[in-house]
Amino acid sequence: EVQLVQSGGGLVQPGGSLKLSCTASGFTFSNYWMSWVRQTPGEGLEWVANIKQDGSERFYVESVKGRFTISRDNAKKSLYLQMTSLGAEDTAVYYCARALTVATNEYFAHWGQGALVTVSS
Amino acid sequence: DLQMTQSPSTLSASVGDRVTITCRASQSIDIWLAWYQQKPGKAPKLLIYKASILESGVPSRFSGSGSGTEFTLTISSLQPDDFATYYCQQYSNYQRTFGPGTSVEI
Repeated sequence: EVQLVQSGGGLVQPGGSLKLSCTASGFTFSNYWMSWVRQTPGEGLEWVANIKQDGSERFYVESVKGRFTISRDNAKKSLYLQMTSLGAEDTAVYYCARALTVATNEYFAHWGQGALVTVSS
Repeated sequence: DLQMTQSPSTLSASVGDRVTITCRASQSIDIWLAWYQQKPGKAPKLLIYKASILESGVPSRFSGSGSGTEFTLTISSLQPDDFATYYCQQYSNYQRTFGPGTSVEI
C-alpha cells in the first residue's frame, strides 16, 4: 500500500523558516516525480512545487520562487520542503503528493495526510 | 495566467440524482484536466485524469468529458458517499492550477 507520512508542520513567526518532510513507503520512491500542494480556506488548492525522480529538475509556483526549496533523498525515501521568509499568505495545510505513474508528473494520485503551517506572531 | 473556474460553487442534491459540475479554463488546455474529490479533514482523491479516464477503483457512476476550455464531471446516481467537494485541476503547463471547488450537499 502506498503511504506518504508527513511531519514538520507548526507555528512560525512571519519571516521565519520551516522544513516539511514526507516519508514514503509501499512503492519505489526513486521512480516517481513528487510534489507539494497546499490548501488554504480562502484560496483553495495550490500546487507549490515538484521534483523529478533524480532531483535534476524542480519547478515552483511563482509565489514561492526564491523562498521555498523542494528536495528529496531517495535513499531515505523522503521528500522535503524548506520554506523561508514565510508570510501570512503561506499559512495552509501542506500535502506531499505522488504522481500516478512513473511516466507522469501532472496530477496527483497519492497524498500525505497534510501538515498545518501557521504563520503568525 | 491560466485561470480555472467551476460552477456551481455549491450544489444541493439528493441520493439518486444525476449531478453535473462544470469546469472552465481561461484558455485551451486540450484534455489536460483532472478531477478530485475531497471530504472534510482528508486529502483530495484523484477521480479522473486526461479529462475522461477514470482512475482505478473509482466507481463507474463518475464520468468526465470535455476538451479545450469546457469540461464536466457527472455523477450518474448520487450516493451518500459522494457528498463532498470536487475540484478540477489543469496540467497543460507546468504551473498546475486548481479550480475553486464545488461543494455537493444534501
